[in-house]
Amino acid sequence: KAGVTQTPRYLIKTRGQQVTLSCSPISGHRSVSWYQQTPGQGLQFLFEYFSETQRNKGNFPGRFSGRQFSNSRSEMNVSTLELGDSALYLCASKLRSTGSSTDTQYFGPGTRLTVL
Amino acid sequence: AQSVTQPDIHITVSEGASLELRCNYSYGATPYLFWYVQSPGQGLQLLLKYFSGDTLVQGIKGFEAEFKRSQSSFNLRKPSVHWSDAAEYFCAVGAGYGGATNKLIFGTGTLLAVQP
Repeated sequence: KAGVTQTPRYLIKTRGQQVTLSCSPISGHRSVSWYQQTPGQGLQFLFEYFSETQRNKGNFPGRFSGRQFSNSRSEMNVSTLELGDSALYLCASKLRSTGSSTDTQYFGPGTRLTVL
Repeated sequence: AQSVTQPDIHITVSEGASLELRCNYSYGATPYLFWYVQSPGQGLQLLLKYFSGDTLVQGIKGFEAEFKRSQSSFNLRKPSVHWSDAAEYFCAVGAGYGGATNKLIFGTGTLLAVQP
């Protein structure tokens, strides 16, 4: 079974631009979460989507948004990019959106975003 | 608020030596705890998880972790380290609406170096 895939793997943008990152979950998984990883702040939760609905949200400004499609694929968008948005953006998928011990998050390889 | 502390930023061990990585958490209820490993340029791989029951949890690659409620700790151990274990290790606690695995709060990570 294929793992979580993220595209593109690397991206370079300039300040003020916007960017869209894509995540395809493991087949059959309906929950997708996004995380930002930076050297200064570490791994931080952005948001979680399940059945096309945002169920959890982290403490990020409104410039960060996401959505999920009916096939469970997810996109996140960052508008008006700032230098501090340079980071590795990780997507994780899991089967459902419950607290079951079998409901484990599986991470993709990430998209490395550089803002110049 | 939930939080995770990994006191050791960087650890160096000799190949064949034993390893213990420390993790302390702050969480109001029974925590769901995880250890992930990240190799350079890779996403996060789940090593093991604790939800309930036996406080000694076995994971992949010969790792184990022990949940100690009285110490709010979930330390990761391995009896004999291999050179391929060199990576960054993250401890996380599960939180979030709808289920305590929907949002992971990560520690800052411990970078493990293995000397030949």
